[in-house]
Amino acid sequence: DQQVKQNSPSLSVQEGRISILNCDYTNSMFDYFLWYKKYPAEGPTFLISISSIKDKNEDGRFTVFLNKSAKHLSLHIVPSQPGDSAVYFCAASGNSNSGYALNFGKGTSLLVTP
Amino acid sequence: DSGVTQTPKHLITATGQRVTLRCSPRSGDLSVYWYQQSLDQGLQFLIQYYNGEERAKGNILERFSAQQFPDLHSELNLSSLELGDSALYFCASSVGNSLNSPLHFGNGTRLTVT
Repeated sequence: DQQVKQNSPSLSVQEGRISILNCDYTNSMFDYFLWYKKYPAEGPTFLISISSIKDKNEDGRFTVFLNKSAKHLSLHIVPSQPGDSAVYFCAASGNSNSGYALNFGKGTSLLVTP
Repeated sequence: DSGVTQTPKHLITATGQRVTLRCSPRSGDLSVYWYQQSLDQGLQFLIQYYNGEERAKGNILERFSAQQFPDLHSELNLSSLELGDSALYFCASSVGNSLNSPLHFGNGTRLTVT
């Protein structure tokens, strides 16, 4: 049962333009959301997070938006750079008291072309 | 470099066999997590340990077990291996046991069961 869904397996964007990666979730108990970035042959690395009490969090070129009513979040990368080409995983968690089990989506492969 | 070390990088074994995957967390991190990434699947949470104690359990099969030792390294034991167990197994660590402690992933162990 996939509780976090990334419906676009891949995305191609031109350098300098905006990349928008989308994520949907089904569990209304999720209250913390994260994005991870993964290069080939490496483990995922933490990129940015957002708590359910916010609807936006920004860190440099990366901004995450959360729409709780739609159970949807998105990651915006502006401007996109070739080094951003990687697989991006959306993750969510709602178990803050007795463990920390992140539920991951299947990932979106972003290709930023020069 | 995330500071999380996983060994071995690759493992090829036959069905019915047993293997042990090892993880050394980042220095100072008390939590260790194990994730499985099968083909076309997102990262599936298996189990979490915090300071030697099991804290959360995901969809971990009964044939799989894990433990965290006093020096905080962790081992994931997979027994009676089946072809479907072929996957990338990631270990991650974090400082604490809360949503404010992002996970730091190792580069994974690729298990191939033939």
